[in-house]
Amino acid sequence: GQQLNQSPQSMFIQEGEDVSMNCTSSSIFNTWLWYKQDPGEGPVLLIALYKAGELTSNGRLTAQFGITRKDSFLNISASIPSDVGIYFCAGQLESGTYKYIFGTGTRLKVLA
Amino acid sequence: GAGVSQTPSNKVTEKGKYVELRCDPISGHTALYWYRQSLGQGPEFLIYFQGTGAADDSGLPNDRFFAVRPEGSVSTLKIQRTERGDSAVYLCASSLAGTDTQYFGPGTRLTVL
Repeated sequence: GQQLNQSPQSMFIQEGEDVSMNCTSSSIFNTWLWYKQDPGEGPVLLIALYKAGELTSNGRLTAQFGITRKDSFLNISASIPSDVGIYFCAGQLESGTYKYIFGTGTRLKVLA
Repeated sequence: GAGVSQTPSNKVTEKGKYVELRCDPISGHTALYWYRQSLGQGPEFLIYFQGTGAADDSGLPNDRFFAVRPEGSVSTLKIQRTERGDSAVYLCASSLAGTDTQYFGPGTRLTVL
């Protein structure tokens, strides 16, 4: 099935560092969501974006809906060990369908 | 309150067998979704229920896959004549109607030998 491209695929960072990851698509999306998934668990919603150019924060997390509507970015500031996990973006192609296409994931490992 | 639960947590079966995977959504959530997550990939949409009816089943890969939600709460994903390629984690999520926040269960890991 169709998936969005996320980069980087994985990253090791030192505790306290800032992290940036992005998600790109050849299609235009109406809504972007960012999820975090821990091992053996389902994804948990972090941030939802609804408008091109929108910048939204949730604690140390900040996400942006790209102006072209074909990309989105997630930043984590001052990373801590519990930030370890897989981060997925998800895009909604058609408003009101509640059908989301997920990215390939960015695996984050934080070194204490 | 209780989150989305899925049973079994792990299922090992032989090629050609029939399996049923169960999802108990959060009470009051009318929307229910099934996803399949292969190793190293993001979840892939399978089917979406609004109440008892399948509003969108366009993600089901073929006619061996079927899902029901007869009373608008618990849902069962049924896979006939399983194949090795069906091995994956099957995730269920539920949400309140009209909202984007989908609450995911822990998934059922299906292994077809």
